[in-house]
Amino acid sequence: AQKVTQAQTEISVVEKEDVTLDCVYETRDTTYYLFWYKQPPSGELVFLIRRNSFDEQNEISGRYSWNFQKSTSSFNFTITASQVVDSAVYFCALSEAGAQKLVFGQGTRLTINP
Amino acid sequence: EPEVTQTPSHQVTQMGQEVILRCVPISNHLYFYWYRQILGQKVEFLVSFYNNEISEKSEIFDDQFSVERPDGSNFTLKIRSTKLEDSAMYFCASLGQAGQPQHFGDGTRLSIL
Repeated sequence: AQKVTQAQTEISVVEKEDVTLDCVYETRDTTYYLFWYKQPPSGELVFLIRRNSFDEQNEISGRYSWNFQKSTSSFNFTITASQVVDSAVYFCALSEAGAQKLVFGQGTRLTINP
Repeated sequence: EPEVTQTPSHQVTQMGQEVILRCVPISNHLYFYWYRQILGQKVEFLVSFYNNEISEKSEIFDDQFSVERPDGSNFTLKIRSTKLEDSAMYFCASLGQAGQPQHFGDGTRLSIL
């Protein structure tokens, strides 16, 4: 069975601090996909990144970076030099091979204070 | 960039009434989904639809729910007799190719009174 755990329910930091959001997943498939979505206060779901199970290369996009480690079944997300606009709920999600459903974690509410 | 469109953005309905939530997926996509998010909680899968039939459904998707793709462009979710606990944000998503990110609509906020 698929499962995604985001143990951090809420994080609050001061602007310009770095912050890491944790994501741990469970799956029996060898082929799967991991995603991060952002949900700002307006409510929509904004896609941030996708990783497949065969690509453990870390990725950096501007102030965002992702660390995928199969050995620990983790796919963590780091925001460097956080900004107030980064305040949102962030969801990690897992999809097994094929056009399968997304299984979401509980989400982490990130608040960046000025 | 093409996007998934959902209407209405907010629906208020009396308990026991039927409600239809509408979605227009991205035109060349083949896989369609409905998800639900109760206020303050995580996003939960309801149903997936491919090749004009349901490919998977969750325990939430009971006999009160149905989906349809009536005309090749719209994708609808019907709740036959709404309950208070159906109040939630409902997201439609579509997917062009397995493994790619699902594209989400902005959601319909359903309020049952």
